[in-house]
Amino acid sequence: GDSVTQMEGPVTLSEEAFLTINCTYTATGYPSLFWYVQYPGEGLQLLLKATKADDKGSNKGFEATYRKETTSFHLEKGSVQVSDSAVYFCAPSHGNQFYFGTGTSLTVIP
Amino acid sequence: NAGVTQTPKFQVLKTGQSMTLQCAQDMNHNSMYWYRQDPGMGLRLIYYSASEGTTDKGEVPNGYNVSRLNKREFSLRLESAAPSQTSVYFCASRVTGEVYEQYFGPGTRLTVT
Repeated sequence: GDSVTQMEGPVTLSEEAFLTINCTYTATGYPSLFWYVQYPGEGLQLLLKATKADDKGSNKGFEATYRKETTSFHLEKGSVQVSDSAVYFCAPSHGNQFYFGTGTSLTVIP
Repeated sequence: NAGVTQTPKFQVLKTGQSMTLQCAQDMNHNSMYWYRQDPGMGLRLIYYSASEGTTDKGEVPNGYNVSRLNKREFSLRLESAAPSQTSVYFCASRVTGEVYEQYFGPGTRLTVT
């Protein structure tokens, strides 16, 4: 079945550092790919998505590119802020289901 | 729009008690989902409903039942709560179709003692 492997955390970065969170997936066919963010005590919110190969999703300075050849959807941000501290989830969507990774906790220190 | 709402926000149960978690959405979405979130486990799908009148098991359905009451509402019932069901429960909804994102509720934190 479909599955996703996400970089383990926790990740701690200084403000303005470069962020990469790796995500690879296995799926039959070509799923849509999503990154969600969860702030403390809240539900998940969509951060960005890409629905076909080579698409780039972007939002709030975060980017991820759908790489079919490496079945990856790595999340990047050039300069993180304290307000980016949260848990990030990679999630392929295939059929009517999402397949969530275990989440990567990010803490950004001033 | 309120989006996806869940009640209650917090609940403490004793082993063997029953309860129903309520979820409602006002976005006219066909598909609705129940997940549980445990530390280090990510989100695991309990049940989902692709449309009014249909429900399907997810990864961890044992110990739970669901009802898709109408297009707006999707409830999760624990008939006899166990400590292993201590978790945070999230409801989500979306337009049916894999290109569409899910919208999540704020969650219900359940403790079973």
